[in-house]
Amino acid sequence: DTEVTQTPKHLVMGMTNKKSLKCEQHMGHRAMYWYKQKAKKPPELMFVYSYEKLSINESVPSRFSPECPNSSLLNLHLHALQPEDSALYLCASSQAQRNSPLHFGNGTRLTVT
Amino acid sequence: GQQLNQSPQSMFIQEGEDVSMNCTSSSIFNTWLWYKQDPGEGPVLLIALYKAGELTSNGRLTAQFGITRKDSFLNISASIPSDVGIYFCAGDQGAQKLVFGQGTRLTINP
Repeated sequence: DTEVTQTPKHLVMGMTNKKSLKCEQHMGHRAMYWYKQKAKKPPELMFVYSYEKLSINESVPSRFSPECPNSSLLNLHLHALQPEDSALYLCASSQAQRNSPLHFGNGTRLTVT
Repeated sequence: GQQLNQSPQSMFIQEGEDVSMNCTSSSIFNTWLWYKQDPGEGPVLLIALYKAGELTSNGRLTAQFGITRKDSFLNISASIPSDVGIYFCAGDQGAQKLVFGQGTRLTINP
């Protein structure tokens, strides 16, 4: 079982909806990540939080809004998405020091209709 | 951007065979990671390599960090049905940005 928990497992939303993806870890990790993965492709980095502060934004459109309420939680707020945003959204966490390996959750399968 | 060249893209083998896959890059990485992803799940860390030339085993899995820090291989011995999945290599230059290979899809015929 993964130690990074993501909810919901599946989400279908219309282009005018507002929804949120949630991620939780209790490994004491101080770095948390959002990745997007399309079918048959590797994960692509979206955002990195380090000590609850946004440290990396990979030029992600503003319709994706991350939030890190505390060291264990990471949210991704979604608004006015497009069908091409349909993908598996993966959360990961790691120790905040350099070269610490990432541990992934099982993802949220998002479908935008 | 940076890329990792992972090969082969797919493998079809018989149960019990050994498997070998590798990743190469034009850039130097501080860390090489190998992940396995099953359908509908997130990538699971298999092996992490931190030193040039390092050889590390995890059960039937063995991975090595190339001496130039630009490549790595993963071997699986005596494959079993649960080895089926997609294997990703990933390189880390220490900036919290992993660079992933394109993946190797492993299929095993019983």
